[in-house]
Amino acid sequence: QQQVKQSPQSLIVQKGGISIINCAYENTAFDYFPWYQQFPGKGPALLIAIRPDVSEKKEGRFTISFNKSAKQFSLHIMDSQPGDSATYFCAASRGGFQKLVFGTGTRLLVSP
Amino acid sequence: GAVVSQHPSRVICKSGTSVKIECRSLDFQATTMFWYRQFPKQSLMLMATSNEGSKATYEQGVEKDKFLINHASLTLSTLTVTSAHPEDSSFYICSTLTGGDTQYFGPGTRLTVL
Repeated sequence: QQQVKQSPQSLIVQKGGISIINCAYENTAFDYFPWYQQFPGKGPALLIAIRPDVSEKKEGRFTISFNKSAKQFSLHIMDSQPGDSATYFCAASRGGFQKLVFGTGTRLLVSP
Repeated sequence: GAVVSQHPSRVICKSGTSVKIECRSLDFQATTMFWYRQFPKQSLMLMATSNEGSKATYEQGVEKDKFLINHASLTLSTLTVTSAHPEDSSFYICSTLTGGDTQYFGPGTRLTVL
C-alpha cells in the first residue's frame, strides 16, 4: 500500500512532442505528490508538485494532472526539448514532514 | 528552493575502511534531513530520517550500526559508512525538508569501495 507505480519505464519522444508519464498509488492518506527530474550523476531536482484539492497544476511546459478517484497522477511535458532528456520520478507523501515514497522512474529521451 | 550541498562528491576507499559524507543545508535551518541510496538505473531508497538533536530513524533492513547518522546542528547531517564493503558502493543523496512537505536534494556522493 506504500508503493507508487510509475510507467513507462522508458520513453522516446521527438523534439516538440508531448511527454507523458503516469503514476498510480494505493494509500489514500497520501496528500502531496511531487515530480523530480534527475540528470546522470546529479541529485533529483523538484519540478512541480500538487495536492489532492486541485485536478491540474501547470508551471511553464510542465503540467501535473491529478485524478483523486482513480488514485492516479501524471506529468505532461509540452514542447519536449533534448535538454529534457533525464530520468523523472514521481513521489508521494502523507504531508507534514513525512517521508517520500518514490516511483521507479522513467528515462526520457527527446530526440532532436 | 533550498540549497543543499554534499561533500565529498566522489570518494573511493578500500574495503574495511569507514567513510563520512556530509550534508549541509546552506540557506535555512533544517530540523529534518533524509538519507537515500540509489543504485544504477534504480529509484531512490530511503535509508533513514535524521532529526536534529535526536537519534536517526532507520528504514527496515538498514543496519544502523553500519550507517551511522549524526545531525548535530540545524545545518549539518553526516552519514558514516563503517567497515565499507564493495556492496556498499552506491550513490548516496541527502535531502532537507522545508515548509513541511517540500524536499530539496543534495547533489549526491558517489561511493566506490574497492
